[in-house]
Amino acid sequence: EADIYQTPRYLVIGTGKKITLECSQTMGHDKMYWYQQDPGMELHLIHYSYGVNSTEKGDLSSESTVSRIRTEHFPLTLESARPSHTSQYLCASSESGRLLNEQFFGPGTRLTVL
Amino acid sequence: ELKVEQNPLFLSMQEGKNYTIYCNYSTTSDRLYWYRQDPGKSLESLFVLLSNGAVKQEGRLMASLDTKARLSTLHITAAVHDLSATYFCAVDRDDKIIFGKGTRLHILP
Repeated sequence: EADIYQTPRYLVIGTGKKITLECSQTMGHDKMYWYQQDPGMELHLIHYSYGVNSTEKGDLSSESTVSRIRTEHFPLTLESARPSHTSQYLCASSESGRLLNEQFFGPGTRLTVL
Repeated sequence: ELKVEQNPLFLSMQEGKNYTIYCNYSTTSDRLYWYRQDPGKSLESLFVLLSNGAVKQEGRLMASLDTKARLSTLHITAAVHDLSATYFCAVDRDDKIIFGKGTRLHILP
């Protein structure tokens, strides 16, 4: 079944650790996105990609980095986590050229940095 | 700069009542989206509206779009507790989707 996956779902780590949040989709979508969302608040776009080897920063400044080496995989990395990074991170994908341009969201990773 | 404003941001209502959530956006856009988010969960797509006058309905929810007024509405008919969630509207800008702050809807039994 075509879907979008995120791992881990929950992560509690200490300050200064390096972490990678995984996002994979099996829908063959070329566009992928990372959003940051504090509980009950709006979504902020932090990174997006329109295809392999394409990455762009979003509207919200973020200390994270992303890569897009394979179409289906769009990991997000924090080199040195801080408490200010505590948030929920949502990955999404969509297919260009489609009339609806609808984004499909993964289940999210809830990150807590102590 | 494209801005998306929703109101109200919080809404508590009784079961069986009707209500409308409003979404205004500041510049022209190709598409308008409505998403639902349950607490601690991800976003679920509800509707995609493409053209002026578009209306879509699913169960007790109906969304409409007025591109001239840059306004979309999400109407809830005879609300039930299961509809309690946060509802986001969003619009396209240069292939990126800009979200409103969300309307947190709480339906009292």
